Amino acid sequence: AQSVAQPEDQVNVAEGNPLTVKCTYSVSGNPYLFWYVQYPNRGLQFLLKYITGDNLVKGSYGFEAEFNKSQTSFHLKKPSALVSDSALYFCAVSLLGGYQKVTFGTGTKLQVIP
Amino acid sequence: DTEVTQTPKHLVMGMTNKKSLKCEQHMGHRAMYWYKQKAKKPPELMFVYSYEKLSINESVPSRFSPECPNSSLLNLHLHALQPEDSALYLCASSQPRGGGEETQYFGPGTRLLVL
Repeated sequence: AQSVAQPEDQVNVAEGNPLTVKCTYSVSGNPYLFWYVQYPNRGLQFLLKYITGDNLVKGSYGFEAEFNKSQTSFHLKKPSALVSDSALYFCAVSLLGGYQKVTFGTGTKLQVIP
Repeated sequence: DTEVTQTPKHLVMGMTNKKSLKCEQHMGHRAMYWYKQKAKKPPELMFVYSYEKLSINESVPSRFSPECPNSSLLNLHLHALQPEDSALYLCASSQPRGGGEETQYFGPGTRLLVL
């Protein structure tokens, strides 16, 4: 079985400050991990993914995520938040790599305050 | 071009109506997906076509019927829906690769309201 948890329903951060959106996972094997962003009334946009290799993954729009195997975490980070980053963020995990077995987290709403 | 298009953007239908949602991609992807998303909830996978082979999520009611006329097009036929089926329906595509190398691209969705 596989699962992913996003412990915060909402994260508030001031514009210009660093942001972190948390994600922890549980799989019985090597995980494939993803982050997506969803703007209001829009579909999901792919941000980044971890498959193997370097634990720090860089993605779109200046986002990055750090894979930590010992803590089973894959937190999303950005050094300086923009108001336009305000959106709903989903973490997802797949054990098999293909999207047929992807499990999404419940989502975290990011609010960047001007 | 990394675009997945969906039509219509909005759809209102009665419980006795028959309607179809359409999805198209021209990225040469051989896997296409339908997801259902309720407000402020994560997407739920409904159907997957991979190399024209359908994988059915058995929890999806038969009032939803997918069709893949060719590798670029994906339809979702709707019949006798219930008000609880009102949701955002997302289409996505990817090119299957071994080792998790594939990236999934989503369309903007069709917002469905069943009255």
